[in-house]
Amino acid sequence: SYELTQPPSVSVSPGQTARITCSGDALAKQYTHWYQQKPGQAPVVIIYKDTERPSGIPERVSGSSSGTTVTLTISGVQAGDEADYYCQSADSSGTYVFGTGTKVTV
Amino acid sequence: QVQLQQWGAGLLKPSETLSLTCAVYGGSFSGYYWSWIRQPPGKGLEWIGEINHSGSTNYNPSLKSRVTISVDTSKNQFSLKLSSVTAADTAVYYCARGRQKGIAARRGWFDPWGQGTLVTVSS
Repeated sequence: SYELTQPPSVSVSPGQTARITCSGDALAKQYTHWYQQKPGQAPVVIIYKDTERPSGIPERVSGSSSGTTVTLTISGVQAGDEADYYCQSADSSGTYVFGTGTKVTV
Repeated sequence: QVQLQQWGAGLLKPSETLSLTCAVYGGSFSGYYWSWIRQPPGKGLEWIGEINHSGSTNYNPSLKSRVTISVDTSKNQFSLKLSSVTAADTAVYYCARGRQKGIAARRGWFDPWGQGTLVTVSS
């Protein structure tokens, strides 16, 4: 089955930049979306279609794509950014797939 | 603003059938696909399947043999049934709005999500 691989954890100091990668063979052909999930809460989309930000998501959150790897970048990290982050895409058959998840510690 | 509210039984015995329902308030129900997603405790997210208002469904191949998703357009609700549950099906189950009708799955993301329902399978 199709897999999206993320680093298990990223640790960053307040004010620094966190970068989370998501790798998958089909990502060069498919859009990738990113979710933030805080403990006990449902995931919330923070980036869609590789680079687009929903309303209410700050500009310091951005997405980029290069070949089979996409990257979520959070600049000026704050304590409130501490959460789990998941990438999501779809395989060629239309089955949605989530990444393995990355825990960001501030 | 679209809101999703879900409910269903939270404790099941092995071999029973899981049943959850999600109600959609606000926005267009007919213009989207609606999905179920689950998350075992301490683990990642797994997409279960989706349905549109016409009843057209797509399922995750890994669960397809046990999953049925249905829709009640008169109430703007959709439901999940998962048969023959085991302890491995213990998870928080979420409903979520997915792609717009006519949009390919590769473009789809999930927003918003329901509040989640913890379903525990234990004898």
